[in-house]
Amino acid sequence: NAGVTQTPKFQVLKTGQSMTLQCAQDMNHNSMYWYRQDPGMGLRLIYYSASEGTTDKGEVPNGYNVSRLNKREFSLRLESAAPSQTSVYFCASKLGQYNSPLHFGNGTRLTVT
Amino acid sequence: QQQVKQSPQSLIVQKGGIPIINCAYENTAFDYFPWYQQFPGKGPALLIAIRPDVSEKKEGRFTISFNKSAKQFSLHIMDSQPGDSATYFCAASMSGGSNYKLTFGKGTLLTVNP
Repeated sequence: NAGVTQTPKFQVLKTGQSMTLQCAQDMNHNSMYWYRQDPGMGLRLIYYSASEGTTDKGEVPNGYNVSRLNKREFSLRLESAAPSQTSVYFCASKLGQYNSPLHFGNGTRLTVT
Repeated sequence: QQQVKQSPQSLIVQKGGIPIINCAYENTAFDYFPWYQQFPGKGPALLIAIRPDVSEKKEGRFTISFNKSAKQFSLHIMDSQPGDSATYFCAASMSGGSNYKLTFGKGTLLTVNP
């Protein structure tokens, strides 16, 4: 049982380049999330998808787009990367209930030069 | 506006000590308070959670204390071990409204020295 799988694990981009972070879960969860983690800033929600076919902005959505491809997959796209987007990105999923636990992937470390 | 404030930012204790991490929240609609543990290079994982209808919850060496009137909750780690060294996040969510999102504190880096 793989849980939440993120690819790639590491990525270096130049300013202005684009890329897509991939996320897939095999737990039949309804809700999926993208967070970024920066030193001293904790986990900040970028976008989330409460259920297949829906997406909503989180706390820090600017510069990102998402696609809920199907129930399993939720991708995060950076159209024109900026140094401020250097971060560790985590995908997470959970069942729909408010008190169900979030299951996180192991993250993608992105550096934008 | 930071809705969940966590302190301290970092904490160093000796093996066997009892580290305490504190969180305070502002939104009285929050009614679910989990703690997540994160080891280096890994994603966070649920450690323990509490509802506001109880004042304390224990799971093994980990205890959450909850003070509803003060809008505060804390994590205590009994007989701490070097393997407990990790970053700990408190969080809060609500059962009504937008019930899919967790609001996280900024995290506490705990180091337990042998």
